[in-house]
Amino acid sequence: NAGVMQNPRHLVRRRGQEARLRCSPVKGHSHVYWYRQLPEEGLKFMVYLQKENIIDESGMPKERFSAEFPKEGPSILRIQQVVRGDSAAYFCASSPGAGSTEAFFGQGTRLTVV
Amino acid sequence: GIQVEQSPPDLILQEGANSTLRCNFSDSVNNLQWFHQNPWGQLINLFYIPSGTKQNGRLSATTVATERYSLLYISSSQTTDSGVYFCAVESPAGGTSYGKLTFGQGTILTVHP
Repeated sequence: NAGVMQNPRHLVRRRGQEARLRCSPVKGHSHVYWYRQLPEEGLKFMVYLQKENIIDESGMPKERFSAEFPKEGPSILRIQQVVRGDSAAYFCASSPGAGSTEAFFGQGTRLTVV
Repeated sequence: GIQVEQSPPDLILQEGANSTLRCNFSDSVNNLQWFHQNPWGQLINLFYIPSGTKQNGRLSATTVATERYSLLYISSSQTTDSGVYFCAVESPAGGTSYGKLTFGQGTILTVHP
């Protein structure tokens, strides 16, 4: 069984560009979570999605950040007009739902804004 | 929201030593997980342990939910155990918080040969 797959592993963007981060959950998992890890810090929740629905985006900045989990295809975290402070590791996790919230994490995408 | 505190923040060991990492949380939890973040940044699931005791090789974990803490034991440590150990909890609020994890700040473990 493939685990959570994230791509790209590393992403470099110039200030003002857009960053798109992709996450394919574990096969059969219907719950997807995005977390951000700033340098020397722990992981912070950003957004929780199920297929075609955003359930909780309380941890996501109100501007420039958006997330989706379409009926077909991976979940996407989009950051528009990136700034240096967006440089971080972005992790995606999935869980099966159906009574289990055990989370499985991808390898992360390391975003560097230059 | 729920608070998660891990101790110690840093730990340096010689290969072969044993260690205990602690995670305190401020409220009841639905879920508690331990992760190892290796030097390449990958997060590896160690235990899913909202209560009780589990063992996996040289690692074991115990969560005492009524007293709001969890312990991770590492025996006969190896250099490959180096990295950051995170505890993460899910509060039982349910609804939009279902599955949402709050992480501690981590314990940085360095094992010297």
